[in-house]
Amino acid sequence: NAGVMQNPRHLVRRRGQEARLRCSPMKGHSHVYWYRQLPEEGLKFMVYLQKENIIDESGMPKERFSAEFPKEGPSILRIQQVVRGDSAAYFCASFRSSGYEQYFGPGTRLTVT
Amino acid sequence: TQLLEQSPQFLSIQEGENLTVYCNSSSVFSSLQWYRQEPGEGPVLLVTVVTGGEVKKLKRLTFQFGDARKDSSLHITAAQPGDTGLYLCAGAPSSNTGNQFYFGTGTSLTVIP
Repeated sequence: NAGVMQNPRHLVRRRGQEARLRCSPMKGHSHVYWYRQLPEEGLKFMVYLQKENIIDESGMPKERFSAEFPKEGPSILRIQQVVRGDSAAYFCASFRSSGYEQYFGPGTRLTVT
Repeated sequence: TQLLEQSPQFLSIQEGENLTVYCNSSSVFSSLQWYRQEPGEGPVLLVTVVTGGEVKKLKRLTFQFGDARKDSSLHITAAQPGDTGLYLCAGAPSSNTGNQFYFGTGTSLTVIP
């Protein structure tokens, strides 16, 4: 996990508020995946981003969810008007443009009250 | 439907015992990865298997990729409490037209001292 930063580590939001999750990839990595994990479950793909491009967002709900990876700064996963069902751990993983290996951040645990 | 099924889902064993975790699919994968995840942390990559029939060893852990590249196994010899964690297999099917990366359902291992 060294090098991939996510913040905040824990986020509490009331229903209807917005949640912004940030991910800074490892140095030299220009690709990021976002995943969602429910307790005792595997990770579910949400979106795959390259700097300034959304490559594949087929795993992300069409409404309320959006993601970006600007030329400068971290990747952002944004959830608008959160609902209780959005409560989960959200992980990002970064990798180089080639190769198989993803490196994960420590995750953001979102709790919607 | 779950593309990668892992079994068993939960496993509790005594220190010193051996165990095998299975990862199965009806799809062919170009490669499979195994991760271990500890509570409150992101997954950490253990190994990538690429060639059908390939066997890789990592100290007391032995990973095998099935000949048809549809399944994989993880065998742990003389388990130790430090092996406790959630074990996840993951990969992208060879037929993948998109960029989704799939994770298995996970095996939660507890090694009792």
